[in-house]
Amino acid sequence: GESVGLHLPTLSVQEGDNSIINCAYSNSASDYFIWYKQESGKGPQFIIDIRSNMDKRQGQRVTVLLNKTVKHLSLQIAATQPGDSAVYFCAETLLPRGASKIIFGSGTRLSIRP
Amino acid sequence: DADVTQTPRNRITKTGKRIMLECSQTKGHDRMYWYRQDPGLGLRLIYYSFDVKDINKGEISDGYSVSRQAQAKFSLSLESAIPNQTALYFCATSDYTGGNTGELFFGEGSRLTVL
Repeated sequence: GESVGLHLPTLSVQEGDNSIINCAYSNSASDYFIWYKQESGKGPQFIIDIRSNMDKRQGQRVTVLLNKTVKHLSLQIAATQPGDSAVYFCAETLLPRGASKIIFGSGTRLSIRP
Repeated sequence: DADVTQTPRNRITKTGKRIMLECSQTKGHDRMYWYRQDPGLGLRLIYYSFDVKDINKGEISDGYSVSRQAQAKFSLSLESAIPNQTALYFCATSDYTGGNTGELFFGEGSRLTVL
C-alpha cells in the first residue's frame, strides 16, 4: 500500500505486504532527512536517515528513497508486521545545525490488517 | 528505566495557572530540546539548549520559558497557561554528533490539558 504526502494521514496494509509511506518536504535547501516512528503512548524513535548526496539507503527491513528533483522522500517497510503499527514522521534539516533545526512533517498513521 | 524521563506524564490545569514540566536524562547528552505535538501538526520546537548556560528559542517559544538546571535536567514552564497550550509535550536529547545528524532521543511525553 502507498500514502501520498501529508494529505493522506492513514495507510492500511495487509500483514506481510510491503508498505510505502511518502512525504513531500518543503525546503529545497534541506540536505539531511530522517524518518521517525511513534508508537501509541510513546515518544518518536529514530528509524533511518539519508543525506542529500544519496538517493537510497537501506536498513533492516526499511529503505528510504530520496528524490531531490521533486522534493520527495519515501519510507519502504518490507514484510510489514503488527509491530510496525505506528505514526511515521518524515523530517528535514540543514547540516551542520542538524537536530536543532529539524522540521517535522505531520505524520502518516500505518495500520496493519491481519 | 527510561533514558529520558518526563514528569508529570499527565496534567490537567486551569487557565492562568503556572505549570512546570520537567525532564531528566541519563544519556549524558549535552543537548536538550522541548517539542510540542498537536494532532495533524507534527512536532514543533519550543526551546533548545546545547549546554547548561545556553538557551535558544525555537519555532514557537511565545508563552513558554525554560531552565537548564544541570546537564541532565531541562524544565519547561508555562507562566500563565491558556487553553491553546493544550498539547502533548516531548523532551528530547542529542549528543554533540547530533548536531551533524538528526537523531533525537525522546521521552514518553507529558500530556497537558488547560481548561
